[in-house]
Amino acid sequence: ETGVTQSPTHLIKTRGQQVTLRCSSQSGHNTVSWYQQALGQGPQFIFQYYREEENGRGNFPPRFSGLQFPNYSSELNVNALELDDSALYLCASRPPSGAKDTQYFGPGTRLTVL
Amino acid sequence: KQEVTQIPAALSVPEGENLVLNCSFTDSAIYNLQWFRQDPGKGLTSLLLIQSSQREQTSGRLNASLDKSSGRSTLYIAASQPGDSATYLCAVSLGYGGSQGNLIFGKGTKLSVKP
Repeated sequence: ETGVTQSPTHLIKTRGQQVTLRCSSQSGHNTVSWYQQALGQGPQFIFQYYREEENGRGNFPPRFSGLQFPNYSSELNVNALELDDSALYLCASRPPSGAKDTQYFGPGTRLTVL
Repeated sequence: KQEVTQIPAALSVPEGENLVLNCSFTDSAIYNLQWFRQDPGKGLTSLLLIQSSQREQTSGRLNASLDKSSGRSTLYIAASQPGDSATYLCAVSLGYGGSQGNLIFGKGTKLSVKP
């Protein structure tokens, strides 16, 4: 069984640019969530996708957007990058059994904004 | 608004000691509580998940307890080893609204076990 994978591993962008991060969920998992983890902090929930629809969002501005595809893989897009967007971005997937089950996290994408 | 606090922020112990990590949360309407381990610059590994109806879960040398009414959880690590060195994160899952199942994390406890 393949776990959650994310690409790229590391990324360096400059302020004002746009970035796309990718996530492949674990086999059979239809719910994907994205989290932002700043240095020294716990992860913060960005949004969740279920069956290609966003069905939950944290306190992040609209320049953070996402997609989920029919195979349940997902993208996180961030427009107009700011220095504070520098963080580890984590993707997590969850099986159809729902909220009672654990989320499985990928290794993350380290984004640096200069 | 749900807030999760972890104490202590950092802990250094000699190998072989038993230790307790603490987690508190402000809203008892949780769906479940999880403990994760994070190695530097890496993703999260789930250690234990406690459903809101449960009091504790055990896995090997790890035991986690949950007291929903007081908003507290503890992670007990027996006979610590240098390989246990990592950051331990506590997270609660909301049981209501559009964010059901999504996690609210504490800032973590950074554990260092010295040989």
